[in-house]
Amino acid sequence: GESVGLHLPTLSVQEGDNSIINCAYSNSASDYFIWYKQESGKGPQFIIDIRSNMDKRQGQRVTVLLNKTVKHLSLQIAATQPGDSAVYFCAELLPGSARQLTFGSGTQLTVLP
Amino acid sequence: DTGVSQNPRHKITKRGQNVTFRCDPISEHNRLYWYRQTLGQGPEFLTYFQNEAQLEKSRLLSDRFSAERPKGSFSTLEIQRTEQGDSAMYLCASSTGTEIEFFGPGTRLTVL
Repeated sequence: GESVGLHLPTLSVQEGDNSIINCAYSNSASDYFIWYKQESGKGPQFIIDIRSNMDKRQGQRVTVLLNKTVKHLSLQIAATQPGDSAVYFCAELLPGSARQLTFGSGTQLTVLP
Repeated sequence: DTGVSQNPRHKITKRGQNVTFRCDPISEHNRLYWYRQTLGQGPEFLTYFQNEAQLEKSRLLSDRFSAERPKGSFSTLEIQRTEQGDSAMYLCASSTGTEIEFFGPGTRLTVL
């Protein structure tokens, strides 16, 4: 979703349910994507990545889906736990020498007991 | 701890003062990045080093900002004549030839 000023999109899920976090990326030439988790007061932590020649990649309890046609990424978290509560960012890697990340708008995930 | 470290973790300064932050990347990571993050936003790229060479700078990096990586290991980011708009979290990240960037905990700057 889009973030407006300080208002992050939010997602609340019950503990044990699955979570789906969506992200729209900006550059059709981007060839690599990463999902990061950021807890309050900490730096972003790598969760999972995917290259543009893939549609899906699975990790431990997480799955990333890539739809290049509509420039959309999603992160699925299975059996969401309280420790999953954080802000989640998708990031795209632009082609070029610097390979710096461009971050999308974050989503605040809150896991309810 | 073999992750990226940053010092200080918090810095409060008065407008007009100079501040310097340090980043120690993961050992043997030749790429080092600085990002800035304001509340509610994702990190924004500032600058990038490959070894000791500063190869790219964002337009966000005004002439009051300077970054160095003199020996290709740790890096410093200096902000001169700080302004209230400089208040943000300054993040450092490092990587090798792979694309994954490992972030440090950040330095929270507050300019009064």
